Amino acid sequence: KQEVTQIPAALSVPEGENLVLNCSFTDSAIYNLQWFRQDPGKGLTSLLLIQSSQREQTSGRLNASLDKSSGRSTLYIAASQPGDSATYLCAVSEVITEGNTGKLIFGQGTTLQVKP
Amino acid sequence: NAGVTQTPKFQVLKTGQSMTLQCAQDMNHEYMSWYRQDPGMGLRLIHYSVGAGITDQGEVPNGYNVSRSTTEDFPLRLLSAAPSQTSVYFCASSLVGGSGRKSTDTQYFGPGTRLTVL
Repeated sequence: KQEVTQIPAALSVPEGENLVLNCSFTDSAIYNLQWFRQDPGKGLTSLLLIQSSQREQTSGRLNASLDKSSGRSTLYIAASQPGDSATYLCAVSEVITEGNTGKLIFGQGTTLQVKP
Repeated sequence: NAGVTQTPKFQVLKTGQSMTLQCAQDMNHEYMSWYRQDPGMGLRLIHYSVGAGITDQGEVPNGYNVSRSTTEDFPLRLLSAAPSQTSVYFCASSLVGGSGRKSTDTQYFGPGTRLTVL
């Protein structure tokens, strides 16, 4: 059974720091991995999606990497800002086959606070 | 595009009542799903659909029904509400990608429905 773990559970940094959020998964047979942002009381916003054949994706100050063989992904946030404060979730998707739903399997998230 | 919309945003029910949570998307996505989010449990899949007329169970389907009569709409029905169903419910949609090995592409989530069952 696929399990996704995110470390740390919470992180507090001063503004301007570069930081790394970690995500690990137990089964390397994923289709893709997605990073989401969730603000308190809000829905999930997709940040980056990495296909299983890719090594990394970049969007602005965000860079996500994927090492499928070791079951790891990292989300790198450059020059953090107070507006980056949120919970960051990673999720892996299954291949749709008989018995597999194609669902997203989520980690518990890392709650980030960026202090001014 | 409105994306994924959900109604209502908040709902309070009494034990035993029934209700329907609405979800609609205007992106012509084949795949739609319902998750519930609970503290300490993360997001768990309730039901999903890979197209109109096709639905299937996720990991926590008991007490919920779904139907998919159109591509756009995917309502979630609570048959007889219980306090254990107090949660935040999210609807999501995506295209189905790939050839041969298929799975979901970027998933788009609605804003959620916060449900309290007394």
